[in-house]
Amino acid sequence: GAGVSQTPSNKVTEKGKYVELRCDPISGHTALYWYRQSLGQGPEFLIYFQGTGAADDSGLPNDRFFAVRPEGSVSTLKIQRTERGDSAVYLCASSLGTEAFFGQGTRLTVV
Amino acid sequence: DAKTTQPNSMESNEEEPVHLPCNHSTISGTDYIHWYRQLPSQGPEYVIHGLTSNVNNRMASLAIAEDRKSSTLILHRATLRDAAVYYCIPDALNRDDKIIFGKGTRLHILP
Repeated sequence: GAGVSQTPSNKVTEKGKYVELRCDPISGHTALYWYRQSLGQGPEFLIYFQGTGAADDSGLPNDRFFAVRPEGSVSTLKIQRTERGDSAVYLCASSLGTEAFFGQGTRLTVV
Repeated sequence: DAKTTQPNSMESNEEEPVHLPCNHSTISGTDYIHWYRQLPSQGPEYVIHGLTSNVNNRMASLAIAEDRKSSTLILHRATLRDAAVYYCIPDALNRDDKIIFGKGTRLHILP
C-alpha cells in the first residue's frame, strides 16, 4: 500500500559506528515526525519537519542525532558514534492535518 | 501540555464491549482529544478524535464528558485483534504540532 515506509526494518551495529535510518512518508504529506520507542514505553518525540525545514527538534537527545529532509519528502535520521543506549525502535510518521500515519519502525540494536 | 491519566492495563473478554477511560482535567477549551493505539510490533495508528460531542467511526466511539475533563474510548465488540496499547492524547498535532505520547493502557483480550 501507500503507507509510511521505513528502511531498514532491522539494523544491528557496533558501538561507535554511524547509522542512517530512512523514512518514506505518504506522498504529499508535508509534516514528518521521528520518534523512538524503548521497550514498555510510549513513543518519545525526537524531531518534526514541516516541508524541508525542522520545525521542532527539541526531542533530539544530543548532538549525535541529526535528521534531514532535503526535498520535503524522504527523511533520514542520522546517529553518530552510536551507544548501547541508542538501541530502540525508531518510528517515523507523516501527516497532512489531524491524523498522523506511522511506519512499522526500524529496530536499532547497538552491540 | 494537558496531563492525562489512564489505567496501566485492562482486560476484556472477546466479543464484549470495552470502555477505556482517560482523565485529562487540565485540558484547554480548544484542545481536541485524540486516541491512538499500537498493536504489537506495529507503529501507532489513529483511532478517533473529538472536541465536545460524542463521536463514532468504524473503529470505535468516543464519549466525552460534559466538562471535558475525561473521555472514554468504547470498543463495541472487542476482538483479539484489538489487543493493543491505547493512548489518549489531548491536542495532538494542534498547538505544538506534534503528538506527545504517555504510557497508555495495555488492553488484553481474553478468548
